[in-house]
Amino acid sequence: QQQVKQSPQSLIVQKGGISIINCAYENTAFDYFPWYQQFPGKGPALLIAIRPDVSEKKEGRFTISFNKSAKQFSLHIMDSQPGDSATYFCAASMGTYKYIFGTGTRLKVLA
Amino acid sequence: DADVTQTPRNRITKTGKRIMLECSQTKGHDRMYWYRQDPGLGLQLIYYSFDVKDINKGEISDGYSVSRQAQAKFSLSLESAIPNQTALYFCATSDGDGTGELFFGEGSRLTVL
Repeated sequence: QQQVKQSPQSLIVQKGGISIINCAYENTAFDYFPWYQQFPGKGPALLIAIRPDVSEKKEGRFTISFNKSAKQFSLHIMDSQPGDSATYFCAASMGTYKYIFGTGTRLKVLA
Repeated sequence: DADVTQTPRNRITKTGKRIMLECSQTKGHDRMYWYRQDPGLGLQLIYYSFDVKDINKGEISDGYSVSRQAQAKFSLSLESAIPNQTALYFCATSDGDGTGELFFGEGSRLTVL
């Protein structure tokens, strides 16, 4: 019940396309859902996050869609760019200190 | 200089050896964490500490120990390394208020032969 399932494991998108990464959780006590972005040789960094009281959050080209009833949330990257090529991790937490991470999605955006 | 610094960045050791990974931070955060990253498994929490006198086990603490020497320093030890501890290890910090955003170091790649 503590798992966060992430898909797909890898994703290839053409420049300008939309990248979509999905996550599903089971524990309804989770109340904070961040996405982290990791470039090769670097540590993950917070990209965008959402709380379950809203269904969508947008920051620039990045949008989180949240479906509380389905216990799913997704990251949409609009107008994907080669610089977006990275590994993306979804996560969930109760409070803001103990996160359960998804298994990661390696995104490659072709120029 | 990086806000969260990990040393060493790369280490190759042999089975049975003791190894210590060190982490120091200049962000002034009270909370510090050690994560392990394996391909296809994401990030798994090994230990976390909310202050110098507070140490807590995470999901995969067996075979690991930690020491919080100061607010800014948190080290991870493998008392007797084994090959399945070969992984990328990350230290992270967060403040006790606000969003709880994790700030990660650049990682320590450990290979146990």
